[in-house]
Amino acid sequence: DQQVKQNSPSLSVQEGRISILNCDYTNSMFDYFLWYKKYPAEGPTFLISISSIKDKNEDGRFTVFLNKSAKHLSLHIVPSQPGDSAVYFCAASVNYGGATNKLIFGTGTLLAVQP
Amino acid sequence: EAQVTQNPRYLITVTGKKLTVTCSQNMNHEYMSWYRQDPGLGLRQIYYSMNVEVTDKGDVPEGYKVSRKEKRNFPLILESPSPNQTSLYFCASGQAGLLIYEQYFGPGTRLTVT
Repeated sequence: DQQVKQNSPSLSVQEGRISILNCDYTNSMFDYFLWYKKYPAEGPTFLISISSIKDKNEDGRFTVFLNKSAKHLSLHIVPSQPGDSAVYFCAASVNYGGATNKLIFGTGTLLAVQP
Repeated sequence: EAQVTQNPRYLITVTGKKLTVTCSQNMNHEYMSWYRQDPGLGLRQIYYSMNVEVTDKGDVPEGYKVSRKEKRNFPLILESPSPNQTSLYFCASGQAGLLIYEQYFGPGTRLTVT
């Protein structure tokens, strides 16, 4: 049972335009959400996160939006650059007994930014 | 430089031949974890460790073992590898405590079991 879903395996965007990556989740107990970025032959790297008590977090060109009622998360990249081309993983944290000890990852979306 | 290292980066082996993938971090992190990445399935947690001598199963622990004898090292052991363990493996580390958000990943180990 996939608790974190990224329904778009790939996305192609023109340089300078907005990229919107989407993520849906099923577990209402998730309390923190993260986006990781992965280049080929490298491990994922942390990009941006958001607490479940917020609905928006912004860091430079990257903004994450959280809609708890819809159990939906999105990452906006504006403007998109060719160097943003990578696989993006959505992840959610599960809080067990007051100590979070795992992340649940989505299946990833391959973003291709065309020059 | 703060980093998580894994060895080997690539490994081709045969069914049943025991192997170990090493993982080491230099950030003094308490938390370490192993994931496997498979097409269409994303990253799935195999085992994790909250501190030395404290390990627990993740979502897909069958066929794997781990140990945490030192804080910096968290090896993944496949006692009798099978072809369904062919995958891309990542080790990760992070600060323990109340909340673990940002994890630092190693570069990955691509394992092929024939």
